[in-house]
Amino acid sequence: SQTIHQWPATLVQPVGSPLSLECTVEGTSNPNLYWYRQAAGRGLQLLFYSIGIDQISSEVPQNLSASRPQDRQFILSSKKLLLSDSGFYLCAWSDRGTYYEQYFGPGTRLTVT
Amino acid sequence: AQSVAQPEDQVNVAEGNPLTVKCTYSVSGNPYLFWYVQYPNRGLQFLLKYITGDNLVKGSYGFEAEFNKSQTSFHLKKPSALVSDSALYFCAVRGLTGGGNKLTFGTGTQLKVEL
Repeated sequence: SQTIHQWPATLVQPVGSPLSLECTVEGTSNPNLYWYRQAAGRGLQLLFYSIGIDQISSEVPQNLSASRPQDRQFILSSKKLLLSDSGFYLCAWSDRGTYYEQYFGPGTRLTVT
Repeated sequence: AQSVAQPEDQVNVAEGNPLTVKCTYSVSGNPYLFWYVQYPNRGLQFLLKYITGDNLVKGSYGFEAEFNKSQTSFHLKKPSALVSDSALYFCAVRGLTGGGNKLTFGTGTQLKVEL
């Protein structure tokens, strides 16, 4: 069966510090991968999605970036965090195709102080 | 562009009573519709989806959803609510435009089931 991991689970970082969040998927090949941010426990904002290695699309311009160095690894980064980057970050994967559901990881709670 | 509306921020139901969480959508072409549940500080869990076929879709934990094309709705239902069903519920739609199998999510409905 497929599993998705995210780490760290929680992170407290000062403003201006760098960020690296990691997501890995097991038990599948060539997945689509997604990064979302959830603010205030509500709406989901799609940040990036990837259909393959080094094929990443950005949905919202901001100071975050994403990379996919391996087929099942997706990394969210920032060079300098802002207070507004605080939130709950969720990684998800889906099979290729039009009507496959997405499966979410456990999330990373980021607090920028 | 596709969109999803969840008109109720919160739904309160007594345990044992039926529950309904509402969702309406707007999309070009045939919609692919999904429901997810989220417990506090956890990731979203997939409940069910409608792709084609029978308008009544059955999913996990006794949930079902009814697709209504004329009303562009996809309401989530359960015949008998449990306290453990209390959580945040999201409706999502996948339209035919855009790549990467992207989903558009609603703003979520908080379900509270009370004894």
